[in-house]
Amino acid sequence: AQTVTQSQPEMSVQEAETVTLSCTYDTSESDYYLFWYKQPPSRQMILVIRQEAYKQQNATENRFSVNFQKAAKSFSLKISDSQLGDAAMYFCAYRSSDTGTASKLTFGTGTRLQVTL
Amino acid sequence: KAGVTQTPRYLIKTRGQQVTLSCSPISGHRSVSWYQQTPGQGLQFLFEYFSETQRNKGNFPGRFSGRQFSNSRSEMNVSTLELGDSALYLCASSLDGRTFYGYTFGSGTRLTVV
Repeated sequence: AQTVTQSQPEMSVQEAETVTLSCTYDTSESDYYLFWYKQPPSRQMILVIRQEAYKQQNATENRFSVNFQKAAKSFSLKISDSQLGDAAMYFCAYRSSDTGTASKLTFGTGTRLQVTL
Repeated sequence: KAGVTQTPRYLIKTRGQQVTLSCSPISGHRSVSWYQQTPGQGLQFLFEYFSETQRNKGNFPGRFSGRQFSNSRSEMNVSTLELGDSALYLCASSLDGRTFYGYTFGSGTRLTVV
């Protein structure tokens, strides 16, 4: 079974600074998908960024980028120019490409990000 | 385009009762998945429905069940509620549950069992 580990329960960053959230995962599969979701106090999980394992190029979405290291099974999220609205819980998630289990997301335990002035 | 709608937002039930939660996916989405979120266990996959059929199931007891209607709306039911069932229940929809583009989540139903 796949597992996702987020070793940083809480992180803090000053507005306009850069912060990196860590995520490692364990899988025996070679093809899979990785996601970062953000959960603000409104409770809705919002997709931040996604990565296909077979693509070596790191995904980027505006101020959000990932450092995907397939061999190390690492998938960290970098937030540049942090804004107050970035404060939330961030979850790393894994999804298999196996059609039998593809619909299931396996989540990490989350990292609470605080943004200070 | 309307998002994923979950009703009700909050629910308080007594131990032993049963509860039904509802999820309306984004128009055109045929896959609906359910997750339970608790402080202790985190986010755990309950099940997925696609075209009115349960396609994938997590490791939850049989007290947890669901169904999907022809318009893709889904309901999940928990019978004989236990205190440990108190959680945020999140619903997620996608076109087919298999594409790369991830899932769109609703804002959840907060269930409290007393």
